[in-house]
Amino acid sequence: EAGVTQSPRYAVLQEGQAVSFWCDPISGHDTLYWYQQPRDQGPQLLVYFRDEAVIDNSQLPSDRFSAVRPKGTNSTLKIQSAKQGDTATYLCASSPPGQGTETLYFGSGTRLTVL
Amino acid sequence: GQQVQQSPASLVLQEGENAELQCNFSTSLNSMQWFYQRPGGSLVSLFYNPSGTKQSGRLTSTTVIKERRSSLHISSSQTTDSGTYLCARISGSFNKLTFGAGTRLAVCP
Repeated sequence: EAGVTQSPRYAVLQEGQAVSFWCDPISGHDTLYWYQQPRDQGPQLLVYFRDEAVIDNSQLPSDRFSAVRPKGTNSTLKIQSAKQGDTATYLCASSPPGQGTETLYFGSGTRLTVL
Repeated sequence: GQQVQQSPASLVLQEGENAELQCNFSTSLNSMQWFYQRPGGSLVSLFYNPSGTKQSGRLTSTTVIKERRSSLHISSSQTTDSGTYLCARISGSFNKLTFGAGTRLAVCP
């Protein structure tokens, strides 16, 4: 069974540039999470979906960040105008229907550097 | 302030030594979970542990929810145990995960 797939693996931007991250969850998983992990810190939840619906996006900086999951499968996280403070690894995770975090699977992440 | 405090922040062991990692929570929680992260790698769940003691191989997790703390014991450490160990608080109706900053473990041969 394929795991959670993320791309690109790395991204390097200048401040003000835009970037998109893509996540393909495990087939059949209805819940999808995006986390931001700054260096030497734990992951912080940005947004999560159940199918195509946003369940919680309270930690997503809405002025520059957006996330979609239009068909309830793949998801895209976009930063419109990146800042140096956005430098972090962006992790995607998914879990199957009816299961809690004990069956959470993470992708390898996208490491973003904003110069 | 920090809802999840982990200690120590870093730890260096000689292969074969044991380690005890601590996780303390400043607010109430439904449950907690331990994760392992290899350098540059993804997170892997080690234990979902709402209470009591759970063991898997050389790893043992003990959670005392009323005291808002959990520990992870690694016995007879190996170089392959090197990486970051993260604990997370699970709370709310949507089982939100709030992570600590992690304990960075290096096991030397």
